[in-house]
Amino acid sequence: DIQMTQSPSSLSASVGDRVTITCRASQNISSYLNWYQQKPGKAPKLLIYAASSLQSGVPSRFSGSGSGTDFTLTISSLQPEDFATYHCQQSYSTFFTFGPGTKVDIK
Amino acid sequence: QVQLQESGPGLVKPSETLSLTCTVSGGSISSYYWSWIRQPPGKGLEWIGNIYYSGSTNYNPSLKSRVTISVDTSKNQFSLKLSSVTAADTAMYYCARDTGLGMNYWGQGTLVTVSS
Repeated sequence: DIQMTQSPSSLSASVGDRVTITCRASQNISSYLNWYQQKPGKAPKLLIYAASSLQSGVPSRFSGSGSGTDFTLTISSLQPEDFATYHCQQSYSTFFTFGPGTKVDIK
Repeated sequence: QVQLQESGPGLVKPSETLSLTCTVSGGSISSYYWSWIRQPPGKGLEWIGNIYYSGSTNYNPSLKSRVTISVDTSKNQFSLKLSSVTAADTAMYYCARDTGLGMNYWGQGTLVTVSS
């Protein structure tokens, strides 16, 4: 199975900061990488699909990049509603796997 | 607007079978893959498996021996059965629509506790 790792596991940031989260796959997954945002007590929300495509309705301050094994989610200017946990997920294989998540909280 | 709603018992006894149903509204189940995902309290997301409307399934290898996912297109529903549950199966269970490019619609989730 394909293992997903994320770094950092958590970070503290201020409103307006540029935030970058990294996701790494244990093998080449091409661009089959999706990013989700999850707030406490809520279901995950799809932000980015196919590594760099912005899901409809998601603010343009979110962007994704990468291919192969290394991927990045960037929030260009952190807003109060962005404090949440972010998960990456590979859909390259028929057995999907998620990263362990990155919690973004207020500095 | 597509909506998904999980339903089923919130408490299951150890060694018994967990059964959940996801009802899809606002759209037809007769396209896309449909997934089950779970999240133990305070932990990350674990994909359980998915089903295509035609009945084709994929399962997480670590759960495959205990999992059955089925679909009822006449009711616009799909279901999860997880047998021989233990406390380790206590989690929030979510259903979701999988477009092949990410899971873009999710249910609100239902908490299932395994306890005697």
